[in-house]
Amino acid sequence: AQTVTQSQPEMSVQEAETVTLSCTYDTSESDYYLFWYKQPPSRQMILVIRQEAYKQQNATENRFSVNFQKAAKSFSLKISDSQLGDAAMYFCAYRSGPLTSGTYKYIFGTGTRLKVLA
Amino acid sequence: DTAVSQTPKYLVTQMGNDKSIKCEQNLGHDTMYWYKQDSKKFLKIMFSYNNKELIINETVPNRFSPKSPDKAHLNLHINSLELGDSAVYFCASSQDRGAYYNEQFFGPGTRLTVL
Repeated sequence: AQTVTQSQPEMSVQEAETVTLSCTYDTSESDYYLFWYKQPPSRQMILVIRQEAYKQQNATENRFSVNFQKAAKSFSLKISDSQLGDAAMYFCAYRSGPLTSGTYKYIFGTGTRLKVLA
Repeated sequence: DTAVSQTPKYLVTQMGNDKSIKCEQNLGHDTMYWYKQDSKKFLKIMFSYNNKELIINETVPNRFSPKSPDKAHLNLHINSLELGDSAVYFCASSQDRGAYYNEQFFGPGTRLTVL
């Protein structure tokens, strides 16, 4: 069974600085998707960035980028020029290959709480 | 327009009661999910439905009964509520077949408090 591990329960970063959130996963599949979701105090889950496993190029979305190391099964999120609005819980998620039903299973890590210091 | 909506957003009830949470998505997705997020923020899958058919049931007590009248709706009914059911419940949807990107879209969550 696939697992997703976020080893940092909490991280802090100074405003305008850069922070990296770690995520590792375990799978025997070769084709899958990885995601980072953000959950601010409003509770709404918001997609930050996605990565297809077959793509070697790391995904980037404005100030957010990932370091995807497929062999090491590592998928870290880098936030550059941190802003107060980045303060939230961040969840790493893995989407499996297709089940027999043709659908997929999503597995979430336990989350990392990011604090941004003014 | 709200993509995935849930009602109610807050629910406070007594132990032993029966309650329902409703979820609707207007994205045309074919798969919907229920997640439970506990006080430690751990997000755990409960159920998933694809085109009204139950696909995933993650060892959830049978006091929890999902119902999908059509592929745009997935409701969650909980019987005989217990203190441990207190959590935030999230509905989500995704387009799994024929989609290039397959992320899940989440509703705003329903905070259930059992007294």
